Amino acid sequence: DAKTTQPPSMDCAEGRAANLPCNHSTISGNEYVYWYRQIHSQGPQYIIHGLKNNETNEMASLIITEDRKSSTLILPHATLRDTAVYYCIVIDRYGGSQGNLIFGKGTKLSVKP
Amino acid sequence: DSGVTQTPKHLITATGQRVTLRCSPRSGDLSVYWYQQSLDQGLQFLIQYYNGEERAKGNILERFSAQQFPDLHSELNLSSLELGDSALYFCASSVGGEDTQYFGPGTRLTVL
Repeated sequence: DAKTTQPPSMDCAEGRAANLPCNHSTISGNEYVYWYRQIHSQGPQYIIHGLKNNETNEMASLIITEDRKSSTLILPHATLRDTAVYYCIVIDRYGGSQGNLIFGKGTKLSVKP
Repeated sequence: DSGVTQTPKHLITATGQRVTLRCSPRSGDLSVYWYQQSLDQGLQFLIQYYNGEERAKGNILERFSAQQFPDLHSELNLSSLELGDSALYFCASSVGGEDTQYFGPGTRLTVL
């Protein structure tokens, strides 16, 4: 079972920031938070990941709370092409799972004009 | 484009048949993963190979098998196909066994 909880769906206006929350209250110290997205049956696309600190790359920002029990993925200026299912995954990269990803149901983000 | 390639894009076959799906990882990646995505089950991990050796196994049926070749490409073999095997099959690759995974475009299998 996925170790994360995400809202099933969200809407965002084009050009506005999209803030996607994820709850991972049982996260352990070795577990990373990863975000992927899947655009309509295409292969999942890696977005960003982090352990403790906030992270930013060309696609998004990841804000992790100090207690690490939740995080928020921020798409600063959402476009119609950002409409997708977004998956938040916690993973112990060096644990027994050997890095395999456990996908939950994710959040379906709809960006509207 | 993730750099991971999968062939074929689409495959239509009949129940009881056998098919082979192929995956070429990103240049330099040693690890290959296979995932299945069906409508009712979501994305599920099947199996991982690292530098030619099986490294982790998920919910892979006994009718399914995989291997990774010396050139690091991988094949997923599905036999005695059933209607319920109709799904998208994704391959992902990573540099090592624990690094960020990058996914290919998938193979859509339809079993009639």
